[in-house]
Amino acid sequence: EIVLTQSPATLSLSPGETATLSCRASQSVSSYLAWYQQKPGQAPRLLIYDTSNRATGIPARFSGSGSGTDFTLTISSLEPEDFAVYYCQQRSNWPPLTFGGGTKVEIK
Amino acid sequence: EVQVVESGGDLVQPGGSLRLSCAASGITFSTYAIHWVRQAPGKGLEWVSVGTSGSTYYADSVKGRFTISRDNSKNTLYLQMNSLRAEDTAVYYCAKDLYAWGSGYFDYWGQGTLVTVSS
Repeated sequence: EIVLTQSPATLSLSPGETATLSCRASQSVSSYLAWYQQKPGQAPRLLIYDTSNRATGIPARFSGSGSGTDFTLTISSLEPEDFAVYYCQQRSNWPPLTFGGGTKVEIK
Repeated sequence: EVQVVESGGDLVQPGGSLRLSCAASGITFSTYAIHWVRQAPGKGLEWVSVGTSGSTYYADSVKGRFTISRDNSKNTLYLQMNSLRAEDTAVYYCAKDLYAWGSGYFDYWGQGTLVTVSS
């Protein structure tokens, strides 16, 4: 099973700043990594898949990069609605599909 | 418009059984892989199972206890959960796969249904 480790656990930023979230895999997942956003009481929402492809309707301020074992989600110029928990997820070697533990982006 | 709606969550005693339903609309249901993902209270996301047009797969934590089935005539996926344990307590989400062939990514999610296992 591929383990995904996200860092930091919490990121405290102000609106307008740039958020950089990290996801590290226990073995290579090639480019088969996605990012999801989850707000309290809501289901997760797909943001990015295959490392850097934005899902339908996702704003351009969300971007993904990386390959192999190290991946980054960048949120440029944080909007108030971007404060949420973000999860990475791999589909390289499944089942099982696995998620990271999440990074909470909170308002500073 | 694609919609995914779960139902069937409830309070059940340890060792008991429950069946969850997932109704999907706006897609050719029979061709898509549909997943179950759960989230324990205050915790992260855990993939549980997937039903494709021809196969089913399970997480080790539920293998042998949970069974996926689908009724394509009703556009509905089911998750039969037996021998429930306290650690199965979670919100269970049904999620449509991004691609019909089963990419392993989830692009449409239901609102979730709460399963509580407690005496």
